[in-house]
Amino acid sequence: EAQVTQNPRYLITVTGKKLTVTCSQNMNHEYMSWYRQDPGLGLRQIYYSMNVEVTDKGDVPEGYKVSRKEKRNFPLILESPSPNQTSLYFCASSFRQGDYEQYFGPGTRLTVT
Amino acid sequence: GESVGLHLPTLSVQEGDNSIINCAYSNSASDYFIWYKQESGKGPQFIIDIRSNMDKRQGQRVTVLLNKTVKHLSLQIAATQPGDSAVYFCAENPPHNAGNMLTFGGGTRLMVKP
Repeated sequence: EAQVTQNPRYLITVTGKKLTVTCSQNMNHEYMSWYRQDPGLGLRQIYYSMNVEVTDKGDVPEGYKVSRKEKRNFPLILESPSPNQTSLYFCASSFRQGDYEQYFGPGTRLTVT
Repeated sequence: GESVGLHLPTLSVQEGDNSIINCAYSNSASDYFIWYKQESGKGPQFIIDIRSNMDKRQGQRVTVLLNKTVKHLSLQIAATQPGDSAVYFCAENPPHNAGNMLTFGGGTRLMVKP
């Protein structure tokens, strides 16, 4: 089954404790991205990657890092999480940049206390 | 800055009726628009898209209408079913979004009454 998977689905952590949210797709997509979803603000892009070893900032990159060492994986790293990063996070992928039909993962709900 | 917005945050309809979800966009240079459906606890799912050179596009039970004169986008769902209950997002691709691809609106919640 073609899909985007994320882990963990739920995470509660404390300020300053480094964490990684994994994302993996099995569709051989070149383009991957991370979004956060907050009430009243919709989906905002954090980082995106056009291909292996090619990443760039989205609208709200502060406090986040990403890497793209393999085509299928695109982890999101929070080196020092803060309460304002409490949010619902989605990973998405598409065949390539310019292909606007994005496939989204199920989401990761992160709470930082 | 320019962004995609929605008129109605919540829409309640009777099962079997038609639903219309509206979206206003402000960037007249956007040439692609897309609707996503997000069910509770799930990620957004593609519904239908339309390019700026079209006024209307139909899918299975869904129709998207684009009015470029007033920068308005709508999603029509025919014979609304309980399974249509979800949050619906519109999105556009402003020209400055080189890598961002899409700018999403805030979403409209559709509630279907049995």
